Amino acid sequence: DTEVTQTPKHLVMGMTNKKSLKCEQHMGHRAMYWYKQKAKKPPELMFVYSYEKLSINESVPSRFSPECPNSSLLNLHLHALQPEDSALYLCASSQGAENQPQHFGDGTRLSIL
Amino acid sequence: AQSVTQLGSHVSVSEGALVLLRCNYSSSVPPYLFWYVQYPNQGLQLLLKYTTGATLVKGINGFEAEFKKSETSFHLTKPSAHMSDAAEYFCAVGGTDGDSWGKLQFGAGTQVVVTP
Repeated sequence: DTEVTQTPKHLVMGMTNKKSLKCEQHMGHRAMYWYKQKAKKPPELMFVYSYEKLSINESVPSRFSPECPNSSLLNLHLHALQPEDSALYLCASSQGAENQPQHFGDGTRLSIL
Repeated sequence: AQSVTQLGSHVSVSEGALVLLRCNYSSSVPPYLFWYVQYPNQGLQLLLKYTTGATLVKGINGFEAEFKKSETSFHLTKPSAHMSDAAEYFCAVGGTDGDSWGKLQFGAGTQVVVTP
């Protein structure tokens, strides 16, 4: 069991759809992360929120829109995605952004038709 | 800037044999080093971490790693492999300066196969 919960576990969407991925943690962590992971590759950082503020955006296309409504919750809003966006999307959290160990959720496997 | 190199994308070990996964890093400042394991259809799980202090770090599931500054290495070992150790293993270094601050730089990963 992981302490970072991601929903849904699987998502299939068309290129014109709008959907959202959700991530929740109740460990009191103040940094939260979104990663994209392709098969047989390491995770690639997308966004970092520190104390509910966006601190890092790794030049991610605007069709991905992160949101941090509160310290426990992180969303990733998806719109007009491309087939190459199909991947495993991982959420992680840590006590702080300063090299604390990150705790990962099990991810949302996203397929774009 | 930091970087991580994992030697060997695939490692096959017999059940009961030593597991050795190699990781070398480059960093201009004392690094924060991590090993993560990823089982199929799961996220990454922290095995162990090195920040400061003792260079031999013990982690979960019988794994340990030794930080060797002179060799810029952080190899992961387990004395006796178990079938449940079959997974993907990632070495990572925590960014400590400039644009890499607060970011994890992952190695390419090593797939471990355990044979009976």
